[in-house]
Amino acid sequence: QVQLVQSGAEVAKPGASVKVSCKASGYTFAIYAIHWVRQAPGQGLEWMGWINGGNGKTHCLQRFQGRLTINRDTSASTVYMNLSSLRSEDTAIYFCARQKYSTDAFDIWGQGTVISVSS
Amino acid sequence: QSVLTQPPSVSAAAGQKVTISCSGSSSNIGDNSVSWYQQIPGTAPKLLIYDNNSRPSGIPDRFSGSKSGTSGTLGITGLQTGDEADYYCATWDSSLRGYVFGTGTKVTAL
Repeated sequence: QVQLVQSGAEVAKPGASVKVSCKASGYTFAIYAIHWVRQAPGQGLEWMGWINGGNGKTHCLQRFQGRLTINRDTSASTVYMNLSSLRSEDTAIYFCARQKYSTDAFDIWGQGTVISVSS
Repeated sequence: QSVLTQPPSVSAAAGQKVTISCSGSSSNIGDNSVSWYQQIPGTAPKLLIYDNNSRPSGIPDRFSGSKSGTSGTLGITGLQTGDEADYYCATWDSSLRGYVFGTGTKVTAL
């Protein structure tokens, strides 16, 4: 079945970097874009950025520029999200999500990865 | 601080109807399609509505969506206890050059 499976929870120190993986299966990886969305404890959803599964082009929200890197390994059908210069406000659940073909919606979601930033 | 505003909570008796509003502006809802998501606490969001009013396969027709001007609306008829969750709207914002989510609405079946 179509699914996105993310890497496990991580604890990181302020100023460090974290890398989360999102492995896709059950569909043609190159046809779809993958997005990253995060949710701080008790808060709503916040879109961060995306990557085109085919050509690898990326785009992220301006507030994350310089700290957020998204890349992919097409041979492994896996997308990676790297967030650097971590601060306590980055503590959140990070989700990857597939963009539904020809729409602006996210139809398949990963299970989420908890990132805790603490000294 | 989200640019899409939703009521914090809505409730109704089981079997009744609830509607959730999502208020935006010309740079987001006014110019782009709206999607809706259901999130049961502790789980990933689930797509309910895309392109303003379309349902993915497997989503019951108790869920409906509409859009008018700079606002979108999600309707849930025949409310069930299993519908208790947080609901979010989302769309592309041309000014921010990114997707934005609504503030979220908690639905309770009384």
